[in-house]
Amino acid sequence: GDSVTQMEGPVTLSEEAFLTINCTYTATGYPSLFWYVQYPGEGLQLLLKATKADDKGSNKGFEATYRKETTSFHLEKGSVQVSDSAVYFCALSSGTSYGKLTFGQGTILTVHP
Amino acid sequence: GAVVSQHPSWVICKSGTSVKIECRSLDFQATTMFWYRQFPKQSLMLMATSNEGSKATYEQGVEKDKFLINHASLTLSTLTVTSAHPEDSSFYICSASLETQYFGPGTRLLVL
Repeated sequence: GDSVTQMEGPVTLSEEAFLTINCTYTATGYPSLFWYVQYPGEGLQLLLKATKADDKGSNKGFEATYRKETTSFHLEKGSVQVSDSAVYFCALSSGTSYGKLTFGQGTILTVHP
Repeated sequence: GAVVSQHPSWVICKSGTSVKIECRSLDFQATTMFWYRQFPKQSLMLMATSNEGSKATYEQGVEKDKFLINHASLTLSTLTVTSAHPEDSSFYICSASLETQYFGPGTRLLVL
């Protein structure tokens, strides 16, 4: 079945540091890939997505590229801010984005001033 | 736009009682809603897919008689945990689909 594996956290960085959160997946066919973010006390929000190989999703300075050859969708940001502190979830959907989602375990990110 | 609410945000109940959790799409209509369960420091696990006007589709291993789902309108789905026990204590999250999934803030259930 489908599965998503994220790097284990928590991740602690200083402000303006470079961020990478690794995500690899196993799926049949050609899934769509997503990164969701959960800020403290709030629901999950879609951060970015990519629907086919080599697509790059980007939002709020975050980027992730759909790599079919390595079955990966790593999240990166060049300079993190304190406000980026949150839990980040990698997810895939074997259908359209409103289909069922399979989530990774989540990575807690804490950014210090 | 695309706001999803859940009520209550947290609930404590005695073992053996039933608890109803509401999920509402506030500014859009959602044919499909999803219910997830999240254990501490773990990922979200899909419990069921709820389609308006039809029976919910449950994931393997989820007891449909224990977790009753009703999706009576395009803006409301409810999850009822029947005869709750301490092992049902968890964080329950719903989402509603409008091109993408929009998530509610979650409901924390503690069964004593």
